[in-house]
Amino acid sequence: QKEVEQDPGPLSVPEGAIVSLNCTYSNSAFQYFMWYRQYSRKGPELLMYTYSSGNKEDGRFTAQVDKSSKYISLFIRDSQPSDSATYLCAMSASGGATNKLIFGTGTLLAVQP
Amino acid sequence: GAVVSQHPSWVICKSGTSVKIECRSLDFQATTMFWYRQFPKQSLMLMATSNEGSKATYEQGVEKDKFLINHASLTLSTLTVTSAHPEDSSFYICTAWDSTTNEQYFGPGTRLTVT
Repeated sequence: QKEVEQDPGPLSVPEGAIVSLNCTYSNSAFQYFMWYRQYSRKGPELLMYTYSSGNKEDGRFTAQVDKSSKYISLFIRDSQPSDSATYLCAMSASGGATNKLIFGTGTLLAVQP
Repeated sequence: GAVVSQHPSWVICKSGTSVKIECRSLDFQATTMFWYRQFPKQSLMLMATSNEGSKATYEQGVEKDKFLINHASLTLSTLTVTSAHPEDSSFYICTAWDSTTNEQYFGPGTRLTVT
């Protein structure tokens, strides 16, 4: 079993839709949870960063962490064609310089105009 | 935000040759950098942790003699793929950890194709 599971998609939605992206994990030691966006042939860029359980909102993006279920989500409201990219969840057991990230496989999102 | 660069962005080499990839933190000092590899439609997999002034720590299954890492300064880490083979063709991404912001910043990646 992989430490982090993520549905690879592809996920196609119309412009303006609410998008829900999810990851599950098996390692209860994970404390730090991140979502990255990666455009084709580019490096990932950090979207959201959450420590432990709870919700975090930033503009159109909301990250949720449920440690009891080992489940994290990223919601995108009012999705735009520019949101079309691969979304990677990542997590780690520690912060700082020992922050070894474990990634999901990524979900390919296409927002249709 | 902080900027991390990689050079080259794309390289094609012949089987058996060696290729060096540079990772630079442009506006901050990074005592720790990480090297990841991403195969098509797969996740990023950590290859090694690079610490300035000391030997790199490799993940299980990564050949340290094949993937040479040097972190000689606080702004530069290099990954050398020695005796490259077609199965080494991949997208190599470095990250640099900024102690002032406690964040990792990703480089844009280097696409290696071995023919």
